[in-house]
Amino acid sequence: ETGVTQTPRHLVMGMTNKKSLKCEQHLGHNAMYWYKQSAKKPLELMFVYNFKEQTENNSVPSRFSPECPNSSHLFLHLHTLQPEDSALYLCASSQGSLNTGELFFGEGSRLTVL
Amino acid sequence: DQQVKQNSPSLSVQEGRISILNCDYTNSMFDYFLWYKKYPAEGPTFLISISSIKDKNEDGRFTVFLNKSAKHLSLHIVPSQPGDSAVYFCAASALRSNDYKLSFGAGTTVTVRA
Repeated sequence: ETGVTQTPRHLVMGMTNKKSLKCEQHLGHNAMYWYKQSAKKPLELMFVYNFKEQTENNSVPSRFSPECPNSSHLFLHLHTLQPEDSALYLCASSQGSLNTGELFFGEGSRLTVL
Repeated sequence: DQQVKQNSPSLSVQEGRISILNCDYTNSMFDYFLWYKKYPAEGPTFLISISSIKDKNEDGRFTVFLNKSAKHLSLHIVPSQPGDSAVYFCAASALRSNDYKLSFGAGTTVTVRA
């Protein structure tokens, strides 16, 4: 139990579907992140939110839309995805700009796009 | 452009022996380095870190060595145990530049043989 909870753990969707991934952190952190992990590749930073404000969008296609209503919750809205978007999507949190760089990760949402 | 590289995708070691994982980086602004461990179906968890003001940090069976001139760090696990079988990610950040985002390597899968 890392204090970061992601739902759903597994998601299968068609290319025309709209779905959302949810992340909640119970650590009192100020920053939240979405990472993408594809097989045999480095974790790829997608979005960063610091105090609910988006501070990083790492050239992510617009079919991925993040939402951070408060510093404890983070969503990733998905629509018209492609099969190559199939991956493990990891949410993480940290203390933000005052941290030592350590991230606390959720267990991930395994996404399969058919 | 991948700034953190783990050139060995896998490592197999006998129980009780030493595991040595290597990591190279290219960004000279990196000043804080971390190792994460990931089991299947779980998110990465923090293992050990080192600041650029040090060249060694030890925590129980885990020791991280940093060679700044070579832009190289390594993780030593001794003695290796079956529970150490996991994927290990090297990560780096540039905290002095207020860039607390982590850049990750592609990971090394460690298998400890009984």
